[in-house]
Amino acid sequence: AQKITQTQPGMFVQEKEAVTLDCTYDTSDPSYGLFWYKQPSSGEMIFLIYQGSYDQQNATEGRYSLNFQKARKSANLVISASQLGDSAMYFCAMREGSYNTDKLIFGTGTRLQVFP
Amino acid sequence: GAGVSQTPSNKVTEKGKYVELRCDPISGHTALYWYRQSLGQGPEFLIYFQGTGAADDSGLPNDRFFAVRPEGSVSTLKIQRTERGDSAVYLCASSPGLAGEGEQFFGPGTRLTVL
Repeated sequence: AQKITQTQPGMFVQEKEAVTLDCTYDTSDPSYGLFWYKQPSSGEMIFLIYQGSYDQQNATEGRYSLNFQKARKSANLVISASQLGDSAMYFCAMREGSYNTDKLIFGTGTRLQVFP
Repeated sequence: GAGVSQTPSNKVTEKGKYVELRCDPISGHTALYWYRQSLGQGPEFLIYFQGTGAADDSGLPNDRFFAVRPEGSVSTLKIQRTERGDSAVYLCASSPGLAGEGEQFFGPGTRLTVL
């Protein structure tokens, strides 16, 4: 079964508008972390935001916020005031709570295109 | 400061050959990870080092793949008898400390093409 599901292969948004990128996850571990990474055409993975499973509040980092709905197992990324430079692939990832491993499990990504 | 670096940036080889991919983590980072990203997919975990030891190698697809980190810094991913299906971007990442803490910082990747 997929552990991380990103159902939107591509999204379009107009500059200065907000956009939500969907992510659902599957785990039976009570302790886990959720990450969003941005991958521009250059290929490098850029960390955007992190949400821990025990965090009471939704994470925010500048124009990025994470809409964490634990009961629904969703961790959607919200980008406010989109900029042309936000055009990239966006990956949701999960780290489960075992301290024997630190691997990230990634979704298939969403390609975001921001138009003027 | 310097980020994670990987060399070479591109590698083209022939089926059956041996290749080595190198990763230089951020100075002082004890944790190092290798991932493989095929076209149109997200990165897929290969192996995780904590210091010199491989703490989790469950993602290595078969015994043709091997990775080392002898001094707890630079790591080398080694692929024997390469196959066309090994073509992908190999990403290295590092993080500062203990498992379960902090984000992973990624390098630019090595694009491996097996002809």
